[in-house]
Amino acid sequence: SQKIEQNSEALNIQEGKTATLTCNYTNYSPAYLQWYRQDPGRGPVFLLLIRENEKEKRKERLKVTFDTTLKQSLFHITASQPADSATYLCAPRAGGGSSNTGKLIFGQGTTLQVKP
Amino acid sequence: DGGITQSPKYLFRKEGQNVTLSCEQNLNHDAMYWYRQDPGQGLRLIYYSQIVNDFQKGDIAEGYSVSREKKESFPLTVTSAQKNPTAFYLCASGGPGQGSTGELFFGEGSRLTVL
Repeated sequence: SQKIEQNSEALNIQEGKTATLTCNYTNYSPAYLQWYRQDPGRGPVFLLLIRENEKEKRKERLKVTFDTTLKQSLFHITASQPADSATYLCAPRAGGGSSNTGKLIFGQGTTLQVKP
Repeated sequence: DGGITQSPKYLFRKEGQNVTLSCEQNLNHDAMYWYRQDPGQGLRLIYYSQIVNDFQKGDIAEGYSVSREKKESFPLTVTSAQKNPTAFYLCASGGPGQGSTGELFFGEGSRLTVL
């Protein structure tokens, strides 16, 4: 069965450092992979998407990589700030047509705590 | 403003009662989803709908029911058959389909507590 694994242990880092979160998947062949941020008691918010033919994607202080051979995506936050503290979720997705509106499964998320 | 609205935000239920959670979107999205989240856990898919008058079971559909009579609305009923209904429920929408990257827009959630 399809499986998504994210580090279940919280990641604690010092302000200004780079945070790196991992998303591994099995029995998937995603055309792209999405990353979301969730704050306590709130709904997740979409951050970034990376396609299978893209090695790396950047948005401001965020960087995502996608290795379809390793079946892994890495999510980096550079120059981290306390405001970056949240849970980050990954979601691999099949591509094209009705697959874009079909079943979407999330990893369990990794909680990031950035200390001042 | 365009968005997705869930209500109520907090709901208390006695054992044996059915309750219905509302989800409305004005984003003109084809697809809508219901997820359940337990404390410290990830999102688990209950039901999803890709088009009006059609929906599919997710991974934990037992004890839940949905309807999709209008594009804008996707209510979730938590029935008395759901053995452990206390949880945070999230509704999402996405689309419009081909060419879309499928990102989801989430509501603020409904927290259900069974007394």
